Amino acid sequence: KAGVTQTPRYLIKTRGQQVTLSCSPISGHRSVSWYQQTPGQGLQFLFEYFSETQRNKGNFPGRFSGRQFSNSRSEMNVSTLELGDSALYLCASSLASGGAGNYGYTFGSGTRLTVV
Amino acid sequence: GESVGLHLPTLSVQEGDNSIINCAYSNSASDYFIWYKQESGKGPQFIIDIRSNMDKRQGQRVTVLLNKTVKHLSLQIAATQPGDSAVYFCAENGEGGKLIFGQGTELSVKP
Repeated sequence: KAGVTQTPRYLIKTRGQQVTLSCSPISGHRSVSWYQQTPGQGLQFLFEYFSETQRNKGNFPGRFSGRQFSNSRSEMNVSTLELGDSALYLCASSLASGGAGNYGYTFGSGTRLTVV
Repeated sequence: GESVGLHLPTLSVQEGDNSIINCAYSNSASDYFIWYKQESGKGPQFIIDIRSNMDKRQGQRVTVLLNKTVKHLSLQIAATQPGDSAVYFCAENGEGGKLIFGQGTELSVKP
């Protein structure tokens, strides 16, 4: 079956712009989590969505937001981009909410965002 | 705060040797741990996991050891191959089910 699909793979934006990233989970998976990966901070949790509701949120400013649609596809948005937002944004899908210990996570290949 | 850290940022081994990657975690209440492998241009890929009621778990060529007394986790790769070259992350099941990742260790396998 198809894995987790993230689009676009690469993106270049200018400071102050906003960006929307998309994640299509594995068919049948209803939970989508987002992570930011940078060389300095490593992998950090952004938020998790399940059944179109945000279930958990990490320590990121309000410029980072997300949503989930009825087909479980998820988008994350970053407004007023800063240079420090340059990162690989990864999404992970799971059968249900409740953590990797219960249902496991499968990661996509990520979207590489560069802010100039 | 919550953290999962790695002792060695880089590890270079000869093909055929065994590799050991270490990780320290801070939350003694953590009950589930995972090792991920991340190759260039890809997302983290599950390797092996272990629950806190176990000390050791074996997979194909990989073994994870958990020492709850000193809050230490290790990944052992037997007969390391060039295809094992990647960055390895340990992760801990955090509050609300989020994953808390370590900083990663880059494994380089010399042919």
